[in-house]
Amino acid sequence: GAGVSQTPSNKVTEKGKYVELRCDPISGHTALYWYRQSLGQGPEFLIYFQGTGAADDSGLPNDRFFAVRPEGSVSTLKIQRTERGDSAVYLCASSPQRGNNEQFFGPGTRLTVL
Amino acid sequence: AQSVAQPEDQVNVAEGNPLTVKCTYSVSGNPYLFWYVQYPNRGLQFLLKYITGDNLVKGSYGFEAEFNKSQTSFHLKKPSALVSDSALYFCAVRDMNTGNQFYFGTGTSLTVIP
Repeated sequence: GAGVSQTPSNKVTEKGKYVELRCDPISGHTALYWYRQSLGQGPEFLIYFQGTGAADDSGLPNDRFFAVRPEGSVSTLKIQRTERGDSAVYLCASSPQRGNNEQFFGPGTRLTVL
Repeated sequence: AQSVAQPEDQVNVAEGNPLTVKCTYSVSGNPYLFWYVQYPNRGLQFLLKYITGDNLVKGSYGFEAEFNKSQTSFHLKKPSALVSDSALYFCAVRDMNTGNQFYFGTGTSLTVIP
């Protein structure tokens, strides 16, 4: 079956621009996570959705970052006024439910801020 | 604070030899522990998890891991390494009692030498 998909696979933008990154989770998965992975590092938690609501957004680094999941399926990570330090691979993962279930990861979106 | 440590950035092992990739963790409560593998240009893939029960957990592709509460470790092992096991391995932990965040280690690059 279809796995988690993320679009675009690569995004190059200029400092100060706004970007949106999309995640399509596995159908029926209620839990959705966003992570950021910098070179040589492990994934860093950003935000977790259970259904439509952001159950935990404590990992968002500042108020330039925002994510939505209006219908409990597709999610969009939004970054305003991008900075060069935002350059990373942004990973999305979904899970049948939270807690002890493994997460299924998408291939990621590589964001480069020039 | 919750954290995961993978003390080795790089592990090299000859094909057919046993392999170990180390992981230690720190949580305030009881841990959920996971191993993921990342192949080049691919998303993270789940290998195995420890939630409760037997300390020795068996997973995909012949991998296993042993939960050691006293040493707060969850080392990944395989009795006989294959060249195709060469990849980047990540350990992750979630504290059962607090929050929804999964904490990932910085990863260990495994190279199996033919």
